[in-house]
Amino acid sequence: DTGVSQNPRHKITKRGQNVTFRCDPISEHNRLYWYRQTLGQGPEFLTYFQNEAQLEKSRLLSDRFSAERPKGSFSTLEIQRTEQGDSAMYLCASSLLRADYGYTFGSGTRLTVV
Amino acid sequence: AQTVTQSQPEMSVQEAETVTLSCTYDTSESDYYLFWYKQPPSRQMILVIRQEAYKQQNATENRFSVNFQKAAKSFSLKISDSQLGDAAMYFCAYRSEFGNEKLTFGTGTRLTIIP
Repeated sequence: DTGVSQNPRHKITKRGQNVTFRCDPISEHNRLYWYRQTLGQGPEFLTYFQNEAQLEKSRLLSDRFSAERPKGSFSTLEIQRTEQGDSAMYLCASSLLRADYGYTFGSGTRLTVV
Repeated sequence: AQTVTQSQPEMSVQEAETVTLSCTYDTSESDYYLFWYKQPPSRQMILVIRQEAYKQQNATENRFSVNFQKAAKSFSLKISDSQLGDAAMYFCAYRSEFGNEKLTFGTGTRLTIIP
């Protein structure tokens, strides 16, 4: 198991385009989280899944954002009609059901909207 | 809602010396977890150390130790014998005992190691 994998590492897109990111968690981890990190800030919670169920979404996640985790395995985060304010690092993390020992993070997808 | 504050945007330390990074938090809960994460330039967040709020004993992991002051809501990280590989952004994070177990992060401290 090589940890949490995120693809692509970098994405440059024009404003108004749709983008999709993928996260492959550690296989035995039930929980999967998406965070957004802007320059100079700590990561901010976006949403999380327990198996295939999306259990909570932050108010940061506008209607243009959607996340899925079909079959409780990999997850995708889609942003529709991207805006320049969406430029950020999108981090995925996974954990066992009880995250007493914290998460395992992926390396992130850096999105630049031009 | 919980908040985490890191008041030192940047810190520097001479190699082999000791440095302490500060973190304060605000919560009305009595049971929670606190973490320090390291984010090197490669951007992958790595867990450095964790502390359960119900434990009075401060956590230690090799050269890394914390000073947890529950009443003061303070959770500082001490790095002893600093090494060049310790250079990174360090984030303090809070997690509630209950609920969705999301992490609330501070804004980070950039640590520079001076050779």
